[in-house]
Amino acid sequence: EAQVTQNPRYLITVTGKKLTVTCSQNMNHEYMSWYRQDPGLGLRQIYYSMNVEVTDKGDVPEGYKVSRKEKRNFPLILESPSPNQTSLYFCASSLYLGGTNTEAFFGQGTRLTVV
Amino acid sequence: TQLLEQSPQFLSIQEGENLTVYCNSSSVFSSLQWYRQEPGEGPVLLVTVVTGGEVKKLKRLTFQFGDARKDSSLHITAAQTGDTGLYLCAGAYTGKLIFGQGTTLQVKP
Repeated sequence: EAQVTQNPRYLITVTGKKLTVTCSQNMNHEYMSWYRQDPGLGLRQIYYSMNVEVTDKGDVPEGYKVSRKEKRNFPLILESPSPNQTSLYFCASSLYLGGTNTEAFFGQGTRLTVV
Repeated sequence: TQLLEQSPQFLSIQEGENLTVYCNSSSVFSSLQWYRQEPGEGPVLLVTVVTGGEVKKLKRLTFQFGDARKDSSLHITAAQTGDTGLYLCAGAYTGKLIFGQGTTLQVKP
């Protein structure tokens, strides 16, 4: 089954404790990205990757890191989480970006709370 | 400032009514997409519109791409309670897939 898998689904952590949210897709997609979703602000892109070893900042990259060492995996790293990073996070992948046949597939989401 | 502005942000209607959601931008997009998101789930693609002036229908949902490819609309005819959810428009822009703020639709029985 074609899917994007995120883990964990829920995470409560303390300020400053490094954490990683994993994301894996089994569709051989080129484009992967991370979003955070906050009430009234919609989905805001954190980082994206056009291909292996190619990553770039989205609209809200501060406080986050990513890596794309393999095509299928795109982990999101918070080196020193702060309470303002409490949010709902989504990983997404698509074959390409823009045009037809570029459906973005989303993971189930990770609800992160930083206390 | 949002590159894609959706309106309205909230809509509460009775079952059977019609509604239209708008997605506007000052920028030109090569394509726009509409997604629907239910609580606790990730967004799921409804449609992609590519050609200016294009109209696509998905059962009771009609999607239109503006002639200048700067805006799009989603029209639902005879809304049902199952249409309740968050509707998001999205477009590719300078390497990023960006989203509007979303329209929360509540259809009451």
